[in-house]
Amino acid sequence: EVQILETGGGLVKPGGSLRLSCATSGFNFNDYFMNWVRQAPGKGLEWVAQIRNKNYNYATYYAESLEGRVTISRDDSKSSVYLQVSSLRAEDTAIYYCTRGITTFDYWGQGVMVTVSS
Amino acid sequence: DIVMTQGALPNPVPSGESASITCQSSKSLLYSDGKTYLNWYLQRPGQSPQLLIYWMSTRASGVSDRFSGSGSGTDFTLKISRVEAEDVGVYYCQQFLEFPLTFGSGTKLEIK
Repeated sequence: EVQILETGGGLVKPGGSLRLSCATSGFNFNDYFMNWVRQAPGKGLEWVAQIRNKNYNYATYYAESLEGRVTISRDDSKSSVYLQVSSLRAEDTAIYYCTRGITTFDYWGQGVMVTVSS
Repeated sequence: DIVMTQGALPNPVPSGESASITCQSSKSLLYSDGKTYLNWYLQRPGQSPQLLIYWMSTRASGVSDRFSGSGSGTDFTLKISRVEAEDVGVYYCQQFLEFPLTFGSGTKLEIK
C-alpha cells in the first residue's frame, strides 16, 4: 500500500523558514518524480515544486511565485522528499501536500499545515 | 503559463441525475506522443485530493465507472452519471503538459 506522510508544519513568523518532510513507503521511490502542492485556506490547489528521479538527474522545477524562496530535495535511501521554504509570508499560509507523480498526482499525503503569522 | 478555466454546476444536483463539469485550457494539451495531459481530481470535504481521470479519459484505479472524461485538445468534460452523496466535493482539472503545472479553480458539486 502506498503511504505518504508529511511532517514539519507549524506556526512560523513572517520572514522565517521551514523545512517540510515527506516520508513514503509502499512503492519503488526511485522510479518516481515527487511534487509539493499547496492549498491556502478556502482556496484551490497550487503546484509548488517537482523533483525528478535519478534517471532525470534529479531535475527540479518550481512555481514562479515561490522561485528563489523554495528548494525541493530528495533522499532516495530514505524514500523521502523535502521542501525548504524561506522568507515566509502570510500568503504562504496553506496546507502543503506531498504527491507522487510523473504525469499525474496519483497519490497524496494527508497534508501538513503551515501558518505564517506574527 | 497554461490557464485552466472550469465551469460551474447548477447546484444542487438531484441524486441519481448526471452532472457534467467543463474545463478549458489556454493551450492544447495534446502532446506528440498522442496523449492529452489533462487530469481530473476530486477533493471531498476535509480530505486530500484524489486522482479520478488521467490522460483526459482514463479512469484511475478503483474509480467508479460512473466517472468519465472526454474532450479535445483544449476543451474537456468530466461527466458523473447517477450522482451519489459520496460524489460531493470540489472537482479540479489540471494540466501536466508543461511547467508550471496548473489547476483549474475548482467546481463544487452539491447533491439534493
